[in-house]
Amino acid sequence: DAGVTQSPTHLIKTRGQQVTLRCSPKSGHDTVSWYQQALGQGPQFIFQYYEEEERQRGNFPDRFSGHQFPNYSSELNVNALLLGDSALYLCASSYKNTEAFFGQGTRLTVV
Amino acid sequence: GENVEQHPSTLSVQEGDSAVIKCTYSDSASNYFPWYKQELGKRPQLIIDIRSNVGEKKDQRIAVTLNKTAKHFSLHITETQPEDSAVYFCAASEGVTGGGNKLTFGTGTQLKVEL
Repeated sequence: DAGVTQSPTHLIKTRGQQVTLRCSPKSGHDTVSWYQQALGQGPQFIFQYYEEEERQRGNFPDRFSGHQFPNYSSELNVNALLLGDSALYLCASSYKNTEAFFGQGTRLTVV
Repeated sequence: GENVEQHPSTLSVQEGDSAVIKCTYSDSASNYFPWYKQELGKRPQLIIDIRSNVGEKKDQRIAVTLNKTAKHFSLHITETQPEDSAVYFCAASEGVTGGGNKLTFGTGTQLKVEL
């Protein structure tokens, strides 16, 4: 079991551009959550997907959107990138009452 | 929404000593409290968790205590070792499904275990 896998591992984008990050959940997991972790801070909840629908959302603007596919994998899209969007983006998967497993993250740098 | 405060932000101990990290939460509806360890450049990994129907849980050198009345929970690491050096995050969840729900994290504690 490869656990939670995220791609790409690193990404550099220019302000105003759009980015798509990808996540494959741990085998058997059906729920995917996305978190943003700024340097030196704790992860901040962006949103969660279950049964291909956004189930919960944190305090992030509409520039942040997502999708979950029938195979439970997920994408995070960020439009009109700002310098402040530079962070580590973490994906976590879970199943019902089980713990959340995190992926290694995607380090996004906006220049 | 939920707010989690974590102290201290940095903690330095001698190998073999104990380390204690404390967190408080604001939402009385929170009922799941995990602790994650994050080494530099690596993913957060769950080290222990506790649900609101339990006051204390222990796993070898690690223990967590929960005081629901005070909305306070703590991580205790005994007989610290150099490999315990990392950033530790506490978190709280508002849902009954534990890890399957939104986690609100504290700001982290950088633990350094010195030889």
